[in-house]
Amino acid sequence: KAGVTQTPRYLIKTRGQQVTLSCSPISGHRSVSWYQQTPGQGLQFLFEYFSETQRNKGNFPGRFSGRQFSNSRSEMNVSTLELGDSALYLCASSPGAGSYSYEQYFGPGTRLTVT
Amino acid sequence: AQSVTQLDSQVPVFEEAPVELRCNYSSSVSVYLFWYVQYPNQGLQLLLKYLSGSTLVESINGFEAEFNKSQTSFHLRKPSVHISDTAEYFCAVSPPEAAGNKLTFGGGTRVLVKP
Repeated sequence: KAGVTQTPRYLIKTRGQQVTLSCSPISGHRSVSWYQQTPGQGLQFLFEYFSETQRNKGNFPGRFSGRQFSNSRSEMNVSTLELGDSALYLCASSPGAGSYSYEQYFGPGTRLTVT
Repeated sequence: AQSVTQLDSQVPVFEEAPVELRCNYSSSVSVYLFWYVQYPNQGLQLLLKYLSGSTLVESINGFEAEFNKSQTSFHLRKPSVHISDTAEYFCAVSPPEAAGNKLTFGGGTRVLVKP
């Protein structure tokens, strides 16, 4: 089975721009979570989507948004980029309902640099 | 709200020596506990988890962790490390209703195994 894939792997944007990151979960997985990893703040939960609905949300401003499609692929969007948004954005998938493994499978991440 | 503290940011250890990585958490509700590992140039992967039952949990590669409710701790140990255990280790918690899909991580502990 293919793992979690994230595109693009690297991205450079300018302050004020917006960006969209994509995540394809493991086949059959219906839950997708997003995390931000920075040297200063560490790993922080952004949000989780399940069956196209946001099921859990972290403490990030409204500039961070996401969505999930019917094939479970997910995108996250950051509008009006700030320098502090420079980070590694990780996507993780899990089976979701009906599974009791409680394990998330992480992708390699998208490295976003805001200049 | 939950928080996780990993008391050591870096732990150097000689090959075949024991290692202990400390993790303490704070939560007003019960949580599930996890250790994730990130090997160099790889994504995060689950090492072990505590959901309920026996407070001592083990992984397939010789790590074990013990849940201590009174001390709100979930320390990770290995009696004899290998060079291949060089990695960053993250302790995390999740509220049970999130089924492990909403993780609050500690700051991570870098383990460097020396020959």
